[in-house]
Amino acid sequence: ETGVTQSPTHLIKTRGQQVTLRCSSQSGHNTVSWYQQALGQGPQFIFQYYREEENGRGNFPPRFSGLQFPNYSSELNVNALELDDSALYLCASSLGTSGNLYEQYFGPGTRLTVT
Amino acid sequence: AQSVTQLGSHVSVSEGALVLLRCNYSSSVPPYLFWYVQYPNQGLQLLLKYTSAATLVKGINGFEAEFKKSETSFHLTKPSAHMSDAAEYFCAVSEDTGNQFYFGTGTSLTVIP
Repeated sequence: ETGVTQSPTHLIKTRGQQVTLRCSSQSGHNTVSWYQQALGQGPQFIFQYYREEENGRGNFPPRFSGLQFPNYSSELNVNALELDDSALYLCASSLGTSGNLYEQYFGPGTRLTVT
Repeated sequence: AQSVTQLGSHVSVSEGALVLLRCNYSSSVPPYLFWYVQYPNQGLQLLLKYTSAATLVKGINGFEAEFKKSETSFHLTKPSAHMSDAAEYFCAVSEDTGNQFYFGTGTSLTVIP
């Protein structure tokens, strides 16, 4: 069984640019959640996708957007990058939307540096 | 709003000693509480979770946590630390729907040989 994978592992972008991060969910999982983990901080919930629809969003501006595809893989897009967007971006997949009922399996993350 | 506070950003213990990592929560409703571990360059792994079934929760790798409503706490313990326990530990709380988690700032555990 393949776990959650994320690509790329690292990338460096310039302020004002746009970036797309990718996540392949674990086999059979229909829900993907994205988190931002700034250095020295805990992960912060960005949003969740369930069956290609957004199902909950944290306190992030609209320039953070996402997609989920029919195979349940997902993308996180960030427009107009700011220096504070530098962080580790984690995705987690699960069998259902409730993390209380279904364990979230996390990928290793994408380290984004904005200069 | 729900939140968790982890006291002590860094904890050091000797190998074989008791591990105690502290977490206090703030929730207006009965919470669901979680402990996760993060090893370097890896994602988070669930250690254990509290979902109101039992106040003492046993997890993987010998860890356990006790839910104390009167103290609004969910501290993580392990009787005897092992070198492999060195990692970052995060406490988290979720809403009723469970689709949004709120994580603490983490505690880095160092195990001294």
